Amino acid sequence: ELKVEQNPLFLSMQEGKNYTIYCNYSTTSDRLYWYRQDPGKSLESLFVLLSNGAVKQEGRLMASLDTKARLSTLHITAAVHDLSATYFCAALLGGSQGNLIFGKGTKLSVKP
Amino acid sequence: GAVVSQHPSRVICKSGTSVKIECRSLDFQATTMFWYRQFPKQSLMLMATSNEGSKATYEQGVEKDKFLINHASLTLSTLTVTSAHPEDSSFYICSARPIGGENYGYTFGSGTRLTVV
Repeated sequence: ELKVEQNPLFLSMQEGKNYTIYCNYSTTSDRLYWYRQDPGKSLESLFVLLSNGAVKQEGRLMASLDTKARLSTLHITAAVHDLSATYFCAALLGGSQGNLIFGKGTKLSVKP
Repeated sequence: GAVVSQHPSRVICKSGTSVKIECRSLDFQATTMFWYRQFPKQSLMLMATSNEGSKATYEQGVEKDKFLINHASLTLSTLTVTSAHPEDSSFYICSARPIGGENYGYTFGSGTRLTVV
């Protein structure tokens, strides 16, 4: 059974600071995804990580994948208020025909 | 990019009635769609995998007779909550994956907030 664990679950940070969200998964997975969810809204795709060592960056967010450690990270650089949201990682279970297993999410609050 | 339309966005219904939620892939074909349920401040829980032209695959603990799924075409899947009860109140989100699209972010619909009174 594939389990996906995120930490921290809650993160309050000041604008301008850096922080990292961690995502561990329990068994081999072919893909790792990061999503953002704003309150009352659906999920917005941020990153798709396809292979060991993959690193992707978009603005102040950078995601990486270490398949050997079964670990993905989402690094936030110089946070701004607009980044406040809940961030989910999800691992692909079952290969190309499979489905996503989600972590519990990290609620990020960026304060001035 | 890939767009998934989900309708309705909000629905309030009386106990005992049925509610149908539609999920359409607008600019791509999807042989597989997924239905999730999200309780407040919780993660997404997969309810079922909808396969075009065949029966849906339900996750353990999800009643197939209560949550009817139909995937009649490559662009439309529907979820019908039958004989709804207040405990069925939740946020339901569908997701679709383009054929060969596991290398891209699965696209999610805008969600349906169901309230059963």
